[in-house]
Amino acid sequence: EAGVAQSPRYKIIEKRQSVAFWCNPISGHATLYWYQQILGQGPKLLIQFQNNGVVDDSQLPKDRFSAERLKGVDSTLKIQPAKLEDSAVYLCASSLRGGDFSVGPYGYTFGSGTRLTVV
Amino acid sequence: GQQVMQIPQYQHVQEGEDFTTYCNSSTTLSNIQWYKQRPGGHPVFLIQLVKSGEVKKQKRLTFQFGEAKKNSSLHITATQTTDVGTYFCAGPMDSNYQLIWGAGTKLIIKP
Repeated sequence: EAGVAQSPRYKIIEKRQSVAFWCNPISGHATLYWYQQILGQGPKLLIQFQNNGVVDDSQLPKDRFSAERLKGVDSTLKIQPAKLEDSAVYLCASSLRGGDFSVGPYGYTFGSGTRLTVV
Repeated sequence: GQQVMQIPQYQHVQEGEDFTTYCNSSTTLSNIQWYKQRPGGHPVFLIQLVKSGEVKKQKRLTFQFGEAKKNSSLHITATQTTDVGTYFCAGPMDSNYQLIWGAGTKLIIKP
């Protein structure tokens, strides 16, 4: 099966500029996650979608970050305006079943990520 | 809040030596997942453990889930250069099944 597609692969912007990332999850995966991974750290969840609804965005800096998942498939994550500390890899992941992990091996499938550098 | 602690942060081994990383949760987990992230890559799902005391093997990798379902370990026998990377454990939160991630253990093969 096709994996999780993300674009762009790399992005360099100046601080205060805006940037958008795109993700296309695995077909049929209802749950989509955006993670931020700073170099040397584990992934940090920014937002979780179940179909086209937001399940959790408690760690999303809403003053500058926004995300949407139209029609419950593709998703975009936007940063406006960007800060230096936003330099990180932005990972999109999807899973078959977001709610009940007790049934089957439903691990997350990650995309290759977008490496953002804010200068 | 719920936490997943993972140790050690780094482990340097000679090629052919064994490697182990340990994961401890502050609460009982319904399951635990393990991921591998190669340098410059993204996390890749390795395995999920669900049952108390469960042991699963994937070639040279052995995964264990503790009897109390609060700890887990990953052991690699006779490491190879292809094993290099960071290994993460992750367990679901009680409230919404979101994964709580350990900080990862970086496996470094000494030249």
